[in-house]
Amino acid sequence: EVQLVESGGGLVKPGGSLRLSCRGTDFSLSPFTMNWVRQPPGKALEWISSVGPSVGSDSGEIFYGDSVRGRSSISRDDGDNSVHLVLNNVTAEDTGLYFCVRRGRVTYYFNLWGRGTLVTVSS
Amino acid sequence: NVLLTQPHSVSESPGKTVIITCTRSGGSIGDSYVQWYQQRPGSVPTCLIYENDERFYGVPDRFSGSIDKSSNSASLTISGLKTEDEAAYFCLAYFKGRVFFGGGTHLTVL
Repeated sequence: EVQLVESGGGLVKPGGSLRLSCRGTDFSLSPFTMNWVRQPPGKALEWISSVGPSVGSDSGEIFYGDSVRGRSSISRDDGDNSVHLVLNNVTAEDTGLYFCVRRGRVTYYFNLWGRGTLVTVSS
Repeated sequence: NVLLTQPHSVSESPGKTVIITCTRSGGSIGDSYVQWYQQRPGSVPTCLIYENDERFYGVPDRFSGSIDKSSNSASLTISGLKTEDEAAYFCLAYFKGRVFFGGGTHLTVL
């Protein structure tokens, strides 16, 4: 089944770091721009970061949202068919469900979402 | 930066029509295509509309999208409301490679 599966969530202390992973099953992530989107409980969606496809004019292009720029890093591992997100110096505002999302190659809509991995920042 | 402002909540009766707006600050609504997503309780978001007014695969024609440059806003119109339409709706736009979501609108159908 074509799907995205996130892992790495859990309880993190304020000031700590987290590393989230997203693996694709039954398809290759490499031609797609991959994104992380998070959602605090009961609140809005917030785009966090994206990494461009492994080939093409936007190959490897990386963008970050304002709330995580400077303390986050996104990367992809084609050998493992996965994408990773590292977030440092976390605060309670980083608590939420983190989704891995695939973007369409032409029309840029988000056409495949993982189920999410829950991150809770608390002492 | 881009700020997309949506009403926090709307409510309407079954069979009626509702319009959810998404007003852009920081640039023109026409600068980039607008998308709309539906998120039912306990579920992941799904795409309804892309490129302002194109329905995603399998989305019924009760859902339609548009933009209005005079008000710098986008709209999602849902006609013939059904109880299953009760959900949160988010607009999305791109700006310089980054993605911005609206704050979401919760639709109650009662």
